[in-house]
Amino acid sequence: DVKVTQSSRYLVKRTGEKVFLECVQDMDHENMFWYRQDPGLGLRLIYFSYDVKMKEKGDIPEGYSVSREKKERFSLILESASTNQTSMYLCASNTLVELYSNQPQHFGDGTRLSIL
Amino acid sequence: AQTVTQSQPEMSVQEAETVTLSCTYDTSESDYYLFWYKQPPSRQMILVIRQEAYKQQNATENRFSVNFQKAAKSFSLKISDSQLGDAAMYFCAYPLTQGGSEKLVFGKGTKLTVNP
Repeated sequence: DVKVTQSSRYLVKRTGEKVFLECVQDMDHENMFWYRQDPGLGLRLIYFSYDVKMKEKGDIPEGYSVSREKKERFSLILESASTNQTSMYLCASNTLVELYSNQPQHFGDGTRLSIL
Repeated sequence: AQTVTQSQPEMSVQEAETVTLSCTYDTSESDYYLFWYKQPPSRQMILVIRQEAYKQQNATENRFSVNFQKAAKSFSLKISDSQLGDAAMYFCAYPLTQGGSEKLVFGKGTKLTVNP
């Protein structure tokens, strides 16, 4: 089974801190995604990456950056955390071929981030 | 722009009864796929069912089935014989090509409560 692992289930940080959220997948997937999930807003795509060192902005990239130095790892960075970035963050991965399979994206368990 | 709309923020159903969750979408494509995801309180997103637009037949997975109306751009999820374990957030999703890769566009979700 595909495994997408997010480094933390819960994280509490302070305003202005630099925050790193890590995601690792074990299936050699080309594509990796970062979403944030807020009540009433569903999942919104922050950034995605289709290859090592490649990245594309999603729908809400402001205040975030990403890093993909290795194929299996995709990091989300909050350069200077703010309270409006308190949210649930979900990482996902897939391959292009697999987009049209029965499991288009594989999700991690999520990180609930609180910015105080 | 492709959008996905779930008009029911919350739904409830009695155990063993049937419930239908609605989803509409907007696309100019003629051949595409649609997905329903389930997110239980444990938070990991799980694919429930997918529909291929070129197929006339509605997809079915055990107690889950879809009512796909291509002309109306409607993709509703029917859950039969509802069980307590069906309680979750349900998201409708549509794959969108961007920047050489595919991403999923999600609706805002429907929270389903199953009453014993």
